[in-house]
Amino acid sequence: GAVVSQHPSRVICKSGTSVKIECRSLDFQATTMFWYRQFPKKSLMLMATSNEGSKATYEQGVEKDKFLINHASLTLSTLTVTSAHPEDSSFYICSATPGLAGVEETQYFGPGTRLLVL
Amino acid sequence: AQSVTQLDSHVSVSEGTPVLLRCNYSSSYSPSLFWYVQHPNKGLQLLLKYTSAATLVKGINGFEAEFKKSETSFHLTKPSAHMSDAAEYFCVVRTGTASKLTFGTGTRLQVTL
Repeated sequence: GAVVSQHPSRVICKSGTSVKIECRSLDFQATTMFWYRQFPKKSLMLMATSNEGSKATYEQGVEKDKFLINHASLTLSTLTVTSAHPEDSSFYICSATPGLAGVEETQYFGPGTRLLVL
Repeated sequence: AQSVTQLDSHVSVSEGTPVLLRCNYSSSYSPSLFWYVQHPNKGLQLLLKYTSAATLVKGINGFEAEFKKSETSFHLTKPSAHMSDAAEYFCVVRTGTASKLTFGTGTRLQVTL
């Protein structure tokens, strides 16, 4: 149980285009989803927290207009990287919890999406 | 502010020998601490977690960790390494009631024959 999937697993795009990454909880309803970014040989950096049906809460330094997050249902959250640039190339990982942010819950992680912007 | 420090970026052990992955934490409040493992092309998997109950926590695949408040440590151990244990391991802290996690920089475990 508690499986989280991401699609696509890897994507290559041209600079200036937008890319959408999907995160799905397959066997539970995810009230809260998180988006992380992982640089090579670095730890995961939390980008934003989203609760179903409300606006995402972005961490300091993360551009909300560049990284659009939509959590429209209890099983799906999307991250859209708009007007992508080569410096946006990274490994993006989502996680999901059954509970609300602010309530202790184990986070279940997706396998990640590797984005390469040319 | 909360943080975790993983003291070794890379650890290499022989199969069948003990594993020790070190983690020290810094937290203003009583922390919840986790160890996650990341295999290539797979999602982060929770190995074990400490949430103020027993200080010695047993996890999956024979791993365990001991919370030592006096040393602000939460080291991960396993008595006998297996080839399948080769992966990246992350020590993670959560403080208070918020769900935000702070990750360490990771330790790559290599297991040799």
